[in-house]
Amino acid sequence: DVKVTQSSRYLVKRTGEKVFLECVQDMDHENMFWYRQDPGLGLRLIYFSYDVKMKEKGDIPEGYSVSREKKERFSLILESASTNQTSMYLCASSPGQGLYQPQHFGDGTRLSIL
Amino acid sequence: KNQVEQSPQSLIILEGKNCTLQCNYTVSPFSNLRWYKQDTGRGPVSLTIMTFSENTKSNGRYTATLDADTKQSSLHITASQLSDSASYICVVSWYSSASKIIFGSGTRLSIRP
Repeated sequence: DVKVTQSSRYLVKRTGEKVFLECVQDMDHENMFWYRQDPGLGLRLIYFSYDVKMKEKGDIPEGYSVSREKKERFSLILESASTNQTSMYLCASSPGQGLYQPQHFGDGTRLSIL
Repeated sequence: KNQVEQSPQSLIILEGKNCTLQCNYTVSPFSNLRWYKQDTGRGPVSLTIMTFSENTKSNGRYTATLDADTKQSSLHITASQLSDSASYICVVSWYSSASKIIFGSGTRLSIRP
């Protein structure tokens, strides 16, 4: 079974802090994704990576950056956290030939910015 | 504009009853449509995928249908169980890359004993 592990279930940070969210997958998947999930809005893609050191902006990349130094690990970075970044963050992975493959999700990190 | 709309937003039914969830989309060119189940506090898990040529697909008590002409899909749950309480999310992909997908906002289903 694919396992996607997010480092924290709950996180509380202060405005202006630099925040790191970590995600690790154990199935050697090429693709990894970061989403945020807000009530009534559905999941929105922040960043996508299709290979080590490769990344693409998603629909809402402003205020975020990512890092993929190893295939199994994909990090989301909030450069200077703001209150409007309070949300549920979900990481996912899928195989390289991914159009017909499901994404496998972690259980999310609920981030609160005070 | 590519959009995915789900209805109803929320639904409460009694255990043992059937229900149908709807998904309408305007994504073009269409590649596939997937239904995910998201339990409270967990990440979404794929239930089924529908491609352009498929009309119906079943996964146990879950049956998904797709009408590519009207751009509508439904998820029918038969003989509901308490464990079916979850959010059900419709996700539509278009031909491009693995990142070109849109998530609906989901239907929150509650099963009452």
